[in-house]
Amino acid sequence: GNSVTQMEGPVTLSEEAFLTINCTYTATGYPSLFWYVQYPGEGLQLLLKATKADDKGSNKGFEATYRKETTSFHLEKGSVQVSDSAVYFCALNAGGTSYGKLTFGQGTILTVHP
Amino acid sequence: KAGVTQTPRYLIKTRGQQVTLSCSPISGHRSVSWYQQTPGQGLQFLFEYFSETQRNKGNFPGRFSGRQFSNSRSEMNVSTLELGDSALYLCASSLQGGNQPQHFGDGTRLSIL
Repeated sequence: GNSVTQMEGPVTLSEEAFLTINCTYTATGYPSLFWYVQYPGEGLQLLLKATKADDKGSNKGFEATYRKETTSFHLEKGSVQVSDSAVYFCALNAGGTSYGKLTFGQGTILTVHP
Repeated sequence: KAGVTQTPRYLIKTRGQQVTLSCSPISGHRSVSWYQQTPGQGLQFLFEYFSETQRNKGNFPGRFSGRQFSNSRSEMNVSTLELGDSALYLCASSLQGGNQPQHFGDGTRLSIL
C-alpha cells in the first residue's frame, strides 16, 4: 500500500538555522506530494505541493523537490524563525481512485529557540 | 473567502453514546474528506464525499458513517462510542477531490469519558 515516512523528531533549532525534514514515500503510479503544517489548537495548513517528478514546491521560504528516483520530498528552509515552531506533515495522494484520500507521515515537531 | 468550518469545536461524551459532527466546506468545493488524528495512530483517513456520494472509505468500523448534503455540507456520525474514539476529527475540502490540495478546518476535539 501507499505510505509516507518522515524523519523522527522532535527537531530543535536556533533561530536563523537551516532546516531539513526528510520525507520518503512508497506509492504505485505517480502520486502528488504535499507538506502541511499544524500549529497548536489548529487544523492543518497547506504549506506547499508538487504534482510531478522534479517539480519544486515553495512557500514562505520553505521548499521541497519531488524526487522520483529517490522517492523523496524533503522540506528545507534556509533560515528558520521562532514562528516556524509547529508540527510538519508530509502527505501524498496516490491519484487514480484515491479520491480525497491523503496518506500522512507521522509528523515532525519543530521547535525554534530565539 | 471563508475557510472550512467545523462545529462544535469540543465535545464530551460517554461510552455507548453517539455523536454527530458537522463540516461546512469552502464555497464552491464539492469534495469533503474526514480524518481522525490521535497521538498513537497519527492522521488516518475516514472517508470522502463528493456530490452526496461516498467515493472512498478508510479502514474504520461501521460505527463511523457520514453523509453529504446538496449544498456540500457534510456530517460525520459515530455510534456506540468507545474510549478509543477520543481524538481530533478533521474535515477537509477541495474542489473535486482528486490530487488537489485539501483545505482543513480546525477540527472537533471529541473526548469520551
